[in-house]
Amino acid sequence: GIQVEQSPPDLILQEGANSTLRCNFSDSVNNLQWFHQNPWGQLINLFYIPSGTKQNGRLSATTVATERYSLLYISSSQTTDSGVYFCAVETSGSRLTFGEGTQLTVNP
Amino acid sequence: DAGVTQSPTHLIKTRGQQVTLRCSPKSGHDTVSWYQQALGQGPQFIFQYYEEEERQRGNFPDRFSGHQFPNYSSELNVNALLLGDSALYLCASSSGSEQYFGPGTRLTVT
Repeated sequence: GIQVEQSPPDLILQEGANSTLRCNFSDSVNNLQWFHQNPWGQLINLFYIPSGTKQNGRLSATTVATERYSLLYISSSQTTDSGVYFCAVETSGSRLTFGEGTQLTVNP
Repeated sequence: DAGVTQSPTHLIKTRGQQVTLRCSPKSGHDTVSWYQQALGQGPQFIFQYYEEEERQRGNFPDRFSGHQFPNYSSELNVNALLLGDSALYLCASSSGSEQYFGPGTRLTVT
């Protein structure tokens, strides 16, 4: 099956710093989603981005489907950005395959 | 507009018992998928229901079964619980490709 690799696995930032999270995938995908998992386990939709670039406030994402990777940018990080960020890809039949996540800690 | 809801929030069961978890999809969504998330890992796909039929299944044993009702809500049943079934169980709904997740049910098997 398809492999999804996220990097880095852990990231510690000071409030106000910028960061880039990466997601590589091993095969062609129909779609790609980025999620933020809060401490209570809720997966929050950040971006639905099979290709191209999208922005939502301090967050933006870019997917280059032909090169099989996606990037999530967080600018001016805040403590509330802490949590686990997941990339998930959709192959045939709309099942999502998740990466192992990036654990982000933003210190005040 | 209510999002995806799941019940119960937490559940503690004993090895060998059976459990049923419930999910109501987001309004307008007709497809429900279930995922299992072990501690420290990404969610793993269990199965997906559409038009009351199991449309896809991940690499989970037959102890895991499900059902979808005419109102699109869904149940996940796990028989003969093992300690390794302890996890966060997430339900997702969709009407196209983008999936939206519920808050999850945290199952502990002792």
